[in-house]
Amino acid sequence: IVLTQSPGTLSLSPGERATLSCRASQSVSSTYFAWYQQKPGQPPRLLIYDASTRATGIPDRFSGSGSGTDFTLTISRLEPEDFAVYYCQLFGSSLPLYTFGQGTKLEIK
Amino acid sequence: EVQLVESGGGLVQPGGSLRLSCADSFSGNFMNWVRQAPGKGLEWVGRIKNKANNYITEYAASVEGRFTISRDESKKSLFLQMNALKTEDTAVYYCARDFYYRLDYWGQGALVTVSS
Repeated sequence: IVLTQSPGTLSLSPGERATLSCRASQSVSSTYFAWYQQKPGQPPRLLIYDASTRATGIPDRFSGSGSGTDFTLTISRLEPEDFAVYYCQLFGSSLPLYTFGQGTKLEIK
Repeated sequence: EVQLVESGGGLVQPGGSLRLSCADSFSGNFMNWVRQAPGKGLEWVGRIKNKANNYITEYAASVEGRFTISRDESKKSLFLQMNALKTEDTAVYYCARDFYYRLDYWGQGALVTVSS
């Protein structure tokens, strides 16, 4: 299964709403779907799991939605620290166990 | 406090070997290695299950037969033995805890550079 994220780069200003998309090449279970944030020089940080559940300590401006083949990460009001690269992830029942999208870079406009 | 700390990265020639370690406070959990080539995205490398699941390992096709994951739970350590290294194996390697279909804790990463 291939995960395709769009857009590749998203240019927005603090305070704006960000909508990031991830499309799977075939229908998948929401239970196996997650989102991560990665800042330069840091490891990825788990944001959302089960497609819509925020991980521990993640602010409520982050939300996930979707099912089947189309999933969305929404950041309601961008804070300066939200500008980073975001990856979607799928757990598979066959190899590779974990598949990642190519990433969306969220940059300051 | 949760901690995953990788060590053992460095420069190695093509065809060489290197062993990464991850000080793993999660004895008993399934553990993964994920890598990231410079300026690129994330690529899953492999996973090792826990003792109750016989330490079964699974690997990405790109490293199968060259990389071996092991663990020593008495020492709370995870290992990635990398043999027959190729230039395309150059990456930051992360160890990460596997928790119900997601990777919830990650180490800071170890840089492996394969170059002559």
